[in-house]
Amino acid sequence: DGGITQSPKYLFRKEGQNVTLSCEQNLNHDAMYWYRQDPGQGLRLIYYSQIVNDFQKGDIAEGYSVSREKKESFPLTVTSAQKNPTAFYLCASSIPGPNTGELFFGEGSRLTVL
Amino acid sequence: GQNIDQPTEMTATEGAIVQINCTYQTSGFNGLFWYQQHAGEAPTFLSYNVLDGLEEKGRFSSFLSRSKGYSYLLLKELQMKDSASYLCAVISRNSGYALNFGKGTSLLVTP
Repeated sequence: DGGITQSPKYLFRKEGQNVTLSCEQNLNHDAMYWYRQDPGQGLRLIYYSQIVNDFQKGDIAEGYSVSREKKESFPLTVTSAQKNPTAFYLCASSIPGPNTGELFFGEGSRLTVL
Repeated sequence: GQNIDQPTEMTATEGAIVQINCTYQTSGFNGLFWYQQHAGEAPTFLSYNVLDGLEEKGRFSSFLSRSKGYSYLLLKELQMKDSASYLCAVISRNSGYALNFGKGTSLLVTP
């Protein structure tokens, strides 16, 4: 079945450690996105990529990094520079551009910093 | 930048009708989405409006006025399972066609 897979679903990290969240899709979508959600809040855009080997910063990119070496994959690294990384992270994909249609979301990764 | 406003919380009774409003200010507007999100889960797509007017889909309808920067989501015949957060999101040319979300409206449906 086509879809988006995020892993791990739950992750615990010590302060000062980098951690990478995986996002893989088999929907053949060119565009992929990472969002962060805090309790009682909407989704805030971290990074997005409209095509392989290209990505753009969103509203809250500081302390995060991404790569887009393959169409299917868009991993997010939460670095030690991110001051408040505990959150729910959502990956999504879509057709790029003005006719993007709906976003297809993964099930999310919940990161807790101890 | 973009500014998207929604009420934080709403409460309605099972079987009733509720309207959730969303106002936005954005350059290069290209469309507006509504998503539903249950606690701890990913958002699910409800509707997409790009032209002015009402889009109806079963119990849910969404309206858009581009000139007023205004949209609403109308939920009819409310059911307990409709208790969730409802997220308004705007897509614009100026943000590279990435969706920008409002903070969401938490809807509680009571018996």
